Amino acid sequence: AQSVTQPDIHITVSEGASLELRCNYSYGATPYLFWYVQSPGQGLQLLLKYFSGDTLVQGIKGFEAEFKRSQSSFNLRKPSVHWSDAAEYFCAVGAQGNYGQNFVFGPGTRLSVLP
Amino acid sequence: EADIYQTPRYLVIGTGKKITLECSQTMGHDKMYWYQQDPGMELHLIHYSYGVNSTEKGDLSSESTVSRIRTEHFPLTLESARPSHTSQYLCASSESAPRRYEQYFGPGTRLTVT
Repeated sequence: AQSVTQPDIHITVSEGASLELRCNYSYGATPYLFWYVQSPGQGLQLLLKYFSGDTLVQGIKGFEAEFKRSQSSFNLRKPSVHWSDAAEYFCAVGAQGNYGQNFVFGPGTRLSVLP
Repeated sequence: EADIYQTPRYLVIGTGKKITLECSQTMGHDKMYWYQQDPGMELHLIHYSYGVNSTEKGDLSSESTVSRIRTEHFPLTLESARPSHTSQYLCASSESAPRRYEQYFGPGTRLTVT
């Protein structure tokens, strides 16, 4: 079964600084990879996804992520963080040929932004 | 913008009461899911459905039950609420292949059982 790890529980950055959130997965084949963002008290919003093709994917709100097969990673990046980016970020992996029981979320990384 | 709705958004209820959390989507998605999320914690899949009259239990054992009588509706029921059921419940849906893993989430129901 696949698994997802997000090594950083909590990250604090200053507004305007760059950001990288780490995500590592464990799965035998090429997975479908996702990043979601959750604001306090809200549901999850899809930021970006990787299915195949170009390993650098662009998402909403100025975020991007790079799939690195050799490192089993799918790190999320943003060149300049805004105060409104403060939220919880979840990496997720879906396995080919299966249904919802194989869509696994990481534990999440909480992002705080200093003014 | 995903069209998936959950009601109520917040619910405080006493121990022993029966409750139903509603989830509806207007996208015609076949797949629907229920996740449980404790504050600051990861999501755990508790139920999912492939389509009408199809329901399965997820990774996390739950005393709740679900039904799928209509494509757009996937309610979750607790027959007798307990304080241990206090949590946030998130509903999601997804299309069939090839985009079945892209899940759209509702805003969640925050349940408190006193």
